[in-house]
Amino acid sequence: GAGVSQSPSNKVTEKGKDVELRCDPISGHTALYWYRQSLGQGLEFLIYFQGNSAPDKSGLPSDRFSAERTGGSVSTLTIQRTQQEDSAVYLCASRLSPRGITDTQYFGPGTRLTVL
Amino acid sequence: TQLLEQSPQFLSIQEGENLTVYCNSSSVFSSLQWYRQEPGEGPVLLVTVVTGGEVKKLKRLTFQFGDARKDSSLHITAAQPGDTGLYLCAGAGLTGNQFYFGTGTSLTVIP
Repeated sequence: GAGVSQSPSNKVTEKGKDVELRCDPISGHTALYWYRQSLGQGLEFLIYFQGNSAPDKSGLPSDRFSAERTGGSVSTLTIQRTQQEDSAVYLCASRLSPRGITDTQYFGPGTRLTVL
Repeated sequence: TQLLEQSPQFLSIQEGENLTVYCNSSSVFSSLQWYRQEPGEGPVLLVTVVTGGEVKKLKRLTFQFGDARKDSSLHITAAQPGDTGLYLCAGAGLTGNQFYFGTGTSLTVIP
């Protein structure tokens, strides 16, 4: 069965360029999360989508970061004018429903972003 | 600001030894999860604990949720090289929708 997929797996970009990271959640999962993980560290929450509700953007570190989720499925995280401190692994997770507090988050393999 | 602090940050032990990882916070969580992450992969859920004082066992792993639902521990008995990885705790906010991850514990089990 298909899990959460992310693309690209690796992205190297120059400072100041824009990047787009893609997440394909598990089919039928209504909740989608983006996290950022610095080398060997814990995960930092970025944004949360639930169905057609307004996303929870409280974790986005600056207005250079934005995300969309089209048709309740695929999501794109965009970072404009990238900075070196944006270098990290960006992880996407999907979850069947927000109502079950024990529902599992299924993570994708992540996109490793390197800003030179 | 990290809501959940894990200790130790790094742990290197011999195969067969026991170990405990701690996850502490001053905040109350509706549930707490433990994940294991291997290099190049996303975290994989090991367990979810919901009730204060709850203890769950998964083979050689024992998870406990603190009575006040602010902290948790993971105990591994007779560690194996296959247990090597980054262990992460994550607390769910009171709505159950947002998750706050700990700082991580990197475990290496030496054969």
